[in-house]
Amino acid sequence: GNSVTQMEGPVTLSEEAFLTINCTYTATGYPSLFWYVQYPGEGLQLLLKATKADDKGSNKGFEATYRKETTSFHLEKGSVQVSDSAVYFCALISGYSTLTFGKGTMLLVSP
Amino acid sequence: ETGVTQTPRHLVMGMTNKKSLKCEQHLGHNAMYWYKQSAKKPLELMFVYNFKEQTENNSVPSRFSPECPNSSHLFLHLHTLQPEDSALYLCASSQYRGQGEQYFGPGTRLTVT
Repeated sequence: GNSVTQMEGPVTLSEEAFLTINCTYTATGYPSLFWYVQYPGEGLQLLLKATKADDKGSNKGFEATYRKETTSFHLEKGSVQVSDSAVYFCALISGYSTLTFGKGTMLLVSP
Repeated sequence: ETGVTQTPRHLVMGMTNKKSLKCEQHLGHNAMYWYKQSAKKPLELMFVYNFKEQTENNSVPSRFSPECPNSSHLFLHLHTLQPEDSALYLCASSQYRGQGEQYFGPGTRLTVT
């Protein structure tokens, strides 16, 4: 079956630090990969996606590259802001499945 | 209203009560989803509807009863809940079932006393 593994949180950073949140997956077929973000008190929002190997998704300064050889989709941002504090979810969909989410990684950014 | 809305935002109910959660999407989508989000557990998909037809019920206890009268509205009817059912219930929609781009509502925070 499909599964997503994310690094445990919380990840605590100072403003302007570099961010990496690791995500690896197991899937049948050729999955599409996603990062969702959940700000406090809100539902999840799609942050970025990649649909095939070597694709790079990007949005709001965040990037993630679909690495088939390592079955990974790590989220990166060069300089985080306090407003980036949220929970980040890696997810995949494959074939006729529904979305499979990781457990989420909380990011806390201090001024 | 735009996007996906959910009411109420907060709900406290006793174990013998009956209540309903409402979700409405204004995106013209054809698939709608109920998720349960509990602390320290992965997001759990509960039900999926595609063109008003239920396509998935992920072994959800019968005390949760979904209803989808049209592609824009989704309800979750609750009765005789247990304290462990306390969670954030999220509604989502997508153009069709099986798409990874889903749009979520803000959720209903449910507390069962």
